[in-house]
Amino acid sequence: AQTVTQSQPEMSVQEAETVTLSCTYDTSESDYYLFWYKQPPSRQMILVIRQEAYKQQNATENRFSVNFQKAAKSFSLKISDSQLGDAAMYFCAYPSGYALNFGKGTSLLVTP
Amino acid sequence: DVKVTQSSRYLVKRTGEKVFLECVQDMDHENMFWYRQDPGLGLRLIYFSYDVKMKEKGDIPEGYSVSREKKERFSLILESASTNQTSMYLCASSPQVRGLGGYTFGSGTRLTVV
Repeated sequence: AQTVTQSQPEMSVQEAETVTLSCTYDTSESDYYLFWYKQPPSRQMILVIRQEAYKQQNATENRFSVNFQKAAKSFSLKISDSQLGDAAMYFCAYPSGYALNFGKGTSLLVTP
Repeated sequence: DVKVTQSSRYLVKRTGEKVFLECVQDMDHENMFWYRQDPGLGLRLIYFSYDVKMKEKGDIPEGYSVSREKKERFSLILESASTNQTSMYLCASSPQVRGLGGYTFGSGTRLTVV
């Protein structure tokens, strides 16, 4: 079965610092997409960033960027200049069959 | 703003009851999904639908069924609720197969079965 693994159940970062959340996945496909979703305490899941596997360039959305290592099947999320509002569960996801397959999530705590 | 609306934010039901969780999207998306979310387990796919009246089992369909009579509405049914179905239920929709365009999620229904 194809899997998505987030090895860090919890992470902590100070405001204004940088944090990296890890994700590895397992696929035999050559062309696919990868996603990071954020779920704040309000429970609303929000798409943070998307990476297309055929693109060499790492995706960036403001303070959020990815480090995509296709050969290593690694897809980490870097949050720069962390803010209190970044505190949330973060899920990595990958298309498997007709749907997205999600990791178990990383809980990010942001301290003042 | 595009939206996926789940009819209830919190729900408490008794063991053995038949429970309906409703999800409506206003984006004309073909694909709709039901997940359950449990601490330490992430999101697990229950059922999905890629067209009206079409449905497919996900990874954990036991004890659940679904209905999609209209494109915008995807209902999750717990035939006889049990305490192990106490969970957060998330509905999502997507314009592309395999969720390639990403999902739009509802705000979730926290179901407690007593």
